[in-house]
Amino acid sequence: DIQMTQSPSSLSASVGDRVTITCRANQSINSNLNWYQRKPGKAPKLLIYAASSLQSGVPSRFSGSGSATDFTLTVSSLQPEDFATYYCQQSYTTPITFGQGTRLEIK
Amino acid sequence: QVQLVQSGAEVKKPGASVKVSCKASGYTFTTYAIHWVRQAPGQRLEWLGWINAVNGNTKYSQNFQDRVTITRDTSASTAYMELSSLRSEDTAVYYCARDLSVVTAPLFDYWGQGTLVTVSS
Repeated sequence: DIQMTQSPSSLSASVGDRVTITCRANQSINSNLNWYQRKPGKAPKLLIYAASSLQSGVPSRFSGSGSATDFTLTVSSLQPEDFATYYCQQSYTTPITFGQGTRLEIK
Repeated sequence: QVQLVQSGAEVKKPGASVKVSCKASGYTFTTYAIHWVRQAPGQRLEWLGWINAVNGNTKYSQNFQDRVTITRDTSASTAYMELSSLRSEDTAVYYCARDLSVVTAPLFDYWGQGTLVTVSS
């Protein structure tokens, strides 16, 4: 199975901050990397697919980059509604696997 | 609007089976595959498998190969996930998710609300 490792596991930031979350695969997954946001008691929400494509309806302050084994999710200016847990997911091969999550908290 | 509505919470004893349903609406059910993902307490999201809604073909994670069965009823626009030989480690919230991709790598654009399955004696 492809192992996905996110860093950091948790992050404290303030409204207006720029934050970056990284995701690393233990083998190349090309650009088959998706990012999800999850709020307590809710299902995950697709933010970024294919490493850098913004899902319809997602604010442009979210962006993704990377390829092969190293990927990043950036939020350019945090808004109150962005405090949540973020997961990366590789869909290069089955079994599809997820990162352990990055919890983004208000400082 | 697209919705995936799952069946309600379940409490099962070890060794039993559970079947969770996922009813789709707001789109043509056979256009997109359905995947199943779970999250146990304190654990990461874990993929169980998926079903091609057109022909019923399935693929399962090797971690669940012998215990999971995913089916669908196109007339009811509903997918099902059955997990057998339950053990306490199967206590988790189970999600169905629609796969937006048709020819590219899977990505999940709509998710069900989740079904809590508790395995306890």
